[in-house]
Amino acid sequence: QVQLQESGPGLVKPSGTLSLICGVSGDSFTSSKWWGWVRQPPGKGLQWIGEIHQSGRTNYNPALKSRVTVLLDQSQNQFSLKMTSLSAADTAMYYCARLQRSGDNYKFDYWGQGTQVTVSS
Amino acid sequence: QTVVTQEPSLTVSPGGTVTLTCAPSTGAVTSDYHPNWFQQKPGQPPRPLIYSTINTHPWTPARFSGSLLGGKAALTVSGVQPEDEATYYCLLYIGGDQHWMFGGGTTLTVL
Repeated sequence: QVQLQESGPGLVKPSGTLSLICGVSGDSFTSSKWWGWVRQPPGKGLQWIGEIHQSGRTNYNPALKSRVTVLLDQSQNQFSLKMTSLSAADTAMYYCARLQRSGDNYKFDYWGQGTQVTVSS
Repeated sequence: QTVVTQEPSLTVSPGGTVTLTCAPSTGAVTSDYHPNWFQQKPGQPPRPLIYSTINTHPWTPARFSGSLLGGKAALTVSGVQPEDEATYYCLLYIGGDQHWMFGGGTTLTVL
């Protein structure tokens, strides 16, 4: 059974850098899969942040691209999110998710439970 | 930047049928946008329901279906149950820029 689990600091200071990890169990980083991050500010909607492929290729939300990096660590079966220059607007629940691309099918299927990040001094 | 629009809220009676829609500011939705639909209840992560317009996951109840309708992506719930009360999000692939964009979400009330 595929499981994703986010982990991170919980509280980050303004202007600081956020680093989150998504551990993956029950799956491997094969060519048909992308691994991504989504966030949700309190009481608001979902925002797609970015994704990474096994090859290292990445795609990012244009609104966040200058501050975001997604990396893959296949040896540890995990991928990570780094976000710089944080402000209160980055306070949110952060989710990791798996995307499978196979032919004409693009399928978000497995999600983590999320980790809450608060930006505050 | 592309904006994806959904109905902010809809109300349906138990047993009824409701259709939620999703459209980008750039024009009509086609299959190239690979619409995905998610259900989210308070305190829970999004639960995938539909991918690439019409395809269901093994866990998707049969009453949920996806389609393209009048240039929009659509999610139809037939025979609505009380437990379908939730917020529903669509997600579109913006191929030109190779990124994904969520709609603002539709809060479905079953009353």
